[in-house]
Amino acid sequence: GAGVSQSPSNKVTEKGKDVELRCDPISGHTALYWYRQSLGQGLEFLIYFQGNSAPDKSGLPSDRFSAERTGGSVSTLTIQRTQQEDSAVYLCASSLVGVTNYGYTFGSGTRLTVV
Amino acid sequence: AQSVTQLGSHVSVSEGALVLLRCNYSSSVPPYLFWYVQYPNQGLQLLLKYTSAATLVKGINGFEAEFKKSETSFHLTKPSAHMSDAAEYFCAVSKEGAQKLVFGQGTRLTINP
Repeated sequence: GAGVSQSPSNKVTEKGKDVELRCDPISGHTALYWYRQSLGQGLEFLIYFQGNSAPDKSGLPSDRFSAERTGGSVSTLTIQRTQQEDSAVYLCASSLVGVTNYGYTFGSGTRLTVV
Repeated sequence: AQSVTQLGSHVSVSEGALVLLRCNYSSSVPPYLFWYVQYPNQGLQLLLKYTSAATLVKGINGFEAEFKKSETSFHLTKPSAHMSDAAEYFCAVSKEGAQKLVFGQGTRLTINP
């Protein structure tokens, strides 16, 4: 596609429920990143994919968080048993190759609210 | 490890005034530096980047930034603020061959009419 597409744009869920957030990167971009943006916290790195592999998942905050990428394209971030502290904007970005020289292209994000 | 500090979580300037957003980095190797802008309810958009070429980098929308190694700084400037510049600005650092960017906390820019 022309840009990085994320869905849904907004998600309200009850505490304890599972949620799936989707990212569709720019076609041909091999690298895909998930970041979390919380109020006053800046951007927190979650996980990086190169193709379908995740060489760096050091930012996932707990084992309730997982992500996968299939076909070197779409990625899904899953949060199990959501907690109120999971409320944030989840941003996906992609890059042509897995180095930062070119910067990222970001999607518009998914705003997750856990009530 | 690399890190970025943005001085001032909020900056307010008058329309037509100089915009100066401060960014200092910490890196043990030559850094790559980036400025991103985020408009309300949108993702981040790349404004400009420094990757060891010219130290004065020009970006979109009239913004520029100067890499100063001696000061470990990469401040973002624009000579004359426009109302449409109101947004949040993020500085980020990486290094050659790095796989991820490290972002600062962001600076929210407000433009007063």
